[in-house]
Amino acid sequence: DGGITQSPKYLFRKEGQNVTLSCEQNLNHDAMYWYRQDPGQGLRLIYYSQIVNDFQKGDIAEGYSVSREKKESFPLTVTSAQKNPTAFYLCASSWFETGVAEQYFGPGTRLTVT
Amino acid sequence: EDKVVQSPLSLVVHEGDTVTLNCSYEVTNFRSLLWYKQEKKAPTFLFMLTSSGIEKKSGRLSSILDKKELFSILNITATQTGDSAIYLCAVGISNFGNEKLTFGTGTRLTIIP
Repeated sequence: DGGITQSPKYLFRKEGQNVTLSCEQNLNHDAMYWYRQDPGQGLRLIYYSQIVNDFQKGDIAEGYSVSREKKESFPLTVTSAQKNPTAFYLCASSWFETGVAEQYFGPGTRLTVT
Repeated sequence: EDKVVQSPLSLVVHEGDTVTLNCSYEVTNFRSLLWYKQEKKAPTFLFMLTSSGIEKKSGRLSSILDKKELFSILNITATQTGDSAIYLCAVGISNFGNEKLTFGTGTRLTIIP
């Protein structure tokens, strides 16, 4: 079964703790993306990576970090520096080609920080 | 700053009605415009548009892009309760070889039986 998996589905953390969200894909896609979605808002881009060992900041990268050591995996760490981390986090992947390819989304992780 | 604006923000109609959702954009280095449907969790892909004036159709859904006036519309005819969802518009942008999507805030569509 090809697709994108995110784990866990729900995550609860105390303020001040770092937390890492997992994203794995077996679609052989080159590019991977992390978005954040808040109630009543669209998706906002946190980080993206078009090739292994390289990534770029999106529009709201402050307080987050990523790594891309393998093509299949793009974990996101929400650090204690992120002021308002409670949100729904979506990971996506796509082919990397000129013209911006369609992105496929994982099921998301809902993070609650108290 | 790249901007994608969707309207209306929210729409409630009766089953069988036809709806038109709007998406306007102001971006540099436009590459494509995409529509997604989001029901509970993951957005699912509907259409990708790159050329003006060419309608894309899938069943009761259709979409068209106007690159001169910088907008797109998504039409849904003979709506059903299963069409209730958030519809997201995203614009693909290329910036020095970095390709990414910028999303609008979405239109929440509710179909009343």
